[in-house]
Amino acid sequence: KNEVEQSPQNLTAQEGEFITINCSYSVGISALHWLQQHPGGGIVSLFMLSSGKKKHGRLIATINIQEKHSSLHITASHPRDSAVYICAENTGNQFYFGTGTSLTVIP
Amino acid sequence: EPEVTQTPSHQVTQMGQEVILRCVPISNHLYFYWYRQILGQKVEFLVSFYNNEISEKSEIFDDQFSVERPDGSNFTLKIRSTKLEDSAMYFCASRMLRGGVTDTQYFGPGTRLTVL
Repeated sequence: KNEVEQSPQNLTAQEGEFITINCSYSVGISALHWLQQHPGGGIVSLFMLSSGKKKHGRLIATINIQEKHSSLHITASHPRDSAVYICAENTGNQFYFGTGTSLTVIP
Repeated sequence: EPEVTQTPSHQVTQMGQEVILRCVPISNHLYFYWYRQILGQKVEFLVSFYNNEISEKSEIFDDQFSVERPDGSNFTLKIRSTKLEDSAMYFCASRMLRGGVTDTQYFGPGTRLTVL
């Protein structure tokens, strides 16, 4: 059964801090997705990874296929980064989601 | 910038009624998805759709659910006889080609379904 585990569940950081959110998955995947869900509920896709590392602005996502683990890093965090960050694994054309990490960045 | 749109934003219905949730994917996208998120819970995959047929579906997507692309622009999710537990936010998403250079999914803003 596909299991996607995220840690931590909740995270509070001071503005400017470096943040890491972790994701572990249980079976082989086609791709690993990182999503951001805003307080209003809207979802934005941040990254899709099948290997290595991707960077977009202050966000970096990495994946280790052998260890079935991915991390999302936020450098120089800002209050506008406050959101729920969701990891999802994509096997074939099915998706399995983690429960999300709720991030609050305090000014 | 092109975006996925969904209507209505909020739908209230009585248990046992049929509802149709509508989505307009981004015009050159070929893969379409429905997800749901029960309040306070994680996002769940319902179904994916490609080339006018269901590509994959989850255990949640039983005979009460159906999807359709009735014309070149709309993508609909129908729930035939709604149950209380169908109350959730329903998100539509679309993306270009499998394995294409841009494989990002673009999500709509969601339809909040409330079943009374």
